[in-house]
Amino acid sequence: EAQVTQNPRYLITVTGKKLTVTCSQNMNHEYMSWYRQDPGLGLRQIYYSMNVEVTDKGDVPEGYKVSRKEKRNFPLILESPSPNQTSLYFCASMMGTFTDTQYFGPGTRLTVL
Amino acid sequence: KQEVTQIPAALSVPEGENLVLNCSFTDSAIYNLQWFRQDPGKGLTSLLLIQSSQREQTSGRLNASLDKSSGRSTLYIAASQPGDSATYLCAVSHSGNTPLVFGKGTRLSVIA
Repeated sequence: EAQVTQNPRYLITVTGKKLTVTCSQNMNHEYMSWYRQDPGLGLRQIYYSMNVEVTDKGDVPEGYKVSRKEKRNFPLILESPSPNQTSLYFCASMMGTFTDTQYFGPGTRLTVL
Repeated sequence: KQEVTQIPAALSVPEGENLVLNCSFTDSAIYNLQWFRQDPGKGLTSLLLIQSSQREQTSGRLNASLDKSSGRSTLYIAASQPGDSATYLCAVSHSGNTPLVFGKGTRLSVIA
């Protein structure tokens, strides 16, 4: 089954404790992206990757890192999480051009205390 | 900067009604427009994608139209069902490598 998977689905952590949210897709998509969703603010893009070893900042990249060492994986790294990063995070992928549909993962709900 | 607005923010209708959700965007230089559905606590599911050169797309009871010059799109849902209850999001792909820009969504409740 074609899908985007994220782990963990739920995470509660404390300020400053490094964490990684994994994202994997099995559709051989070139483009992958991370979004955060907050009440009243909607979905905003954090980082995206057009292909392996190619990443770029979205609208709200501060406090986040990403890497794209393999085509299928695009982990989101929070080196020193803060409470304002409490949010619902989505990973998405699509084939390669902006004429294609984006496929979203199920989301990761992160709480930073 | 592209801005996407969805009206209304919430809508409640009785089962069986036809309804229209609205989406407007400020910059008409878009590649495409997508409508997504989001169920509570879940990810987004793509419903329809309209390329900038197209006027509408249909899938089952759903029909999405695009008027690029006026910066508007509508999602028409025919014969609504309780299972249609969800938040519907509109998003535009602006150009090149820029990200999808989302509206804040319309929360739809279909009452049996």
